[in-house]
Amino acid sequence: NAGVMQNPRHLVRRRGQEARLRCSPMKGHSHVYWYRQLPEEGLKFMVYLQKENIIDESGMPKERFSAEFPKEGPSILRIQQVVRGDSAAYFCASSPLDYTDTQYFGPGTRLTVL
Amino acid sequence: GESVGLHLPTLSVQEGDNSIINCAYSNSASDYFIWYKQESGKGPQFIIDIRSNMDKRQGQRVTVLLNKTVKHLSLQIAATQPGDSAVYFCAENIWSGGYQKVTFGTGTKLQVIP
Repeated sequence: NAGVMQNPRHLVRRRGQEARLRCSPMKGHSHVYWYRQLPEEGLKFMVYLQKENIIDESGMPKERFSAEFPKEGPSILRIQQVVRGDSAAYFCASSPLDYTDTQYFGPGTRLTVL
Repeated sequence: GESVGLHLPTLSVQEGDNSIINCAYSNSASDYFIWYKQESGKGPQFIIDIRSNMDKRQGQRVTVLLNKTVKHLSLQIAATQPGDSAVYFCAENIWSGGYQKVTFGTGTKLQVIP
C-alpha cells in the first residue's frame, strides 16, 4: 500500500506566480489535511478536506490560498501571486474513512519563492 | 500550542543511553495523543499513540507516558541509536464538530552522539 504521495517535492516560483501542490492520499483514505512548516518550527494546520468538501479551512489565509479535493484525482493546494513569505514546506496528511484518528503524512513539497 | 518562530529545543544523548522527550499540552479535553518523528527533509512519521484513558503505552523501544493531571506527555526511547536523531513532535487530538482537530507542539530536536 503506497503511502501519501506529494508532488512536486521541490517547487521554485518567482513572486507573483502561482504554485500548485498536489497530494494523493493513501488508498482508501478520504480525509486530507494540509499543513505548513517553516524551518525549525512545528506544523501549522491549514485546511481539512473530505471528497468534494472543505470541512475546516480555519488555518488557511483568506486571500491567495485555496484548496480542493475533487471526486477524482489528487487534492490540490493552490497559492496565487506567491510572495517570499510563502516559502515553506507544505505537508499533506490523510486518514481513513472510518474516523481512525491517526494521520499519515506525505514527504512534503518545499516551496521556494524567489 | 503553535510555534511562534522559536528555535527548537535540543536534547543531546549519548548512543546507548535512554532519551526522554517532554511535551506539555494545552487542552484538558484532548482525548488522543500521538508522537511523530521527523527526519531532516522528510514528512512526520507516526511513532506511537495513547488515548486519554491510559497513562502508559509501550512500543518497540519507545514508551509514552501521559499525566492528565498536569497535562504532560513524555516519550521515552530506550537504548538510543544514531537513527533516532530527528525532531520529535507531540500532537493532541480533540474531537470538535464531528471530526478530529490536531494541534502540534513545537518539537524537540534529538541529537544522538555516537
